[in-house]
Amino acid sequence: AQSVAQPEDQVNVAEGNPLTVKCTYSVSGNPYLFWYVQYPNRGLQFLLKYITGDNLVKGSYGFEAEFNKSQTSFHLKKPSALVSDSALYFCAVSLFRGADGLTFGKGTHLIIQP
Amino acid sequence: GAVVSQHPSRVICKSGTSVKIECRSLDFQATTMFWYRQFPKQSLMLMATSNEGSKATYEQGVEKDKFLINHASLTLSTLTVTSAHPEDSSFYICSARGSSYSYEQYFGPGTRLTVT
Repeated sequence: AQSVAQPEDQVNVAEGNPLTVKCTYSVSGNPYLFWYVQYPNRGLQFLLKYITGDNLVKGSYGFEAEFNKSQTSFHLKKPSALVSDSALYFCAVSLFRGADGLTFGKGTHLIIQP
Repeated sequence: GAVVSQHPSRVICKSGTSVKIECRSLDFQATTMFWYRQFPKQSLMLMATSNEGSKATYEQGVEKDKFLINHASLTLSTLTVTSAHPEDSSFYICSARGSSYSYEQYFGPGTRLTVT
């Protein structure tokens, strides 16, 4: 069975500083990895995905993530944080390119301080 | 594009009654829809997967007779919580996936169910 770990419940970053939200995964097979963002009382919005190819994936709103197979990680990054980036971020893994139900990490609250 | 809606956004029902939640793909045909449950301050847990015209596949531990899922068309799936109890109170989120070549699931805004 697959699993996703987001080791930080909360990450605090000053506006304008770079941010990183950590994610590690465990699967028996090739992983398909996703990041989603959730605003209060709303559904999830897709940020980016890794399916195959270049390990550095660029997504929406200036976010990017780097797939590291040896460390089984898929950390989310942004060079310069905005206050509007404050939200709940979920990392997720699929075994079948998203055709199956996703397995989510527990989420990380990102708080950007002005 | 790729918009998924849910109705209602919030519902309060009395213990013992049933409530139906609709999930619609507005601008694409959803061959597969997923239902997730999110507890407060916790992650999303997959409840079931439904393919249009087929019976839903439930995850281990999810009572299929309690959480009835119907995916009668390529744009609509429904989740009916039967004989609801307070412990069924939760945030229910659906997602939809289009063609076989689409990797992404598009999520609805969620339905907050409160059982009193």
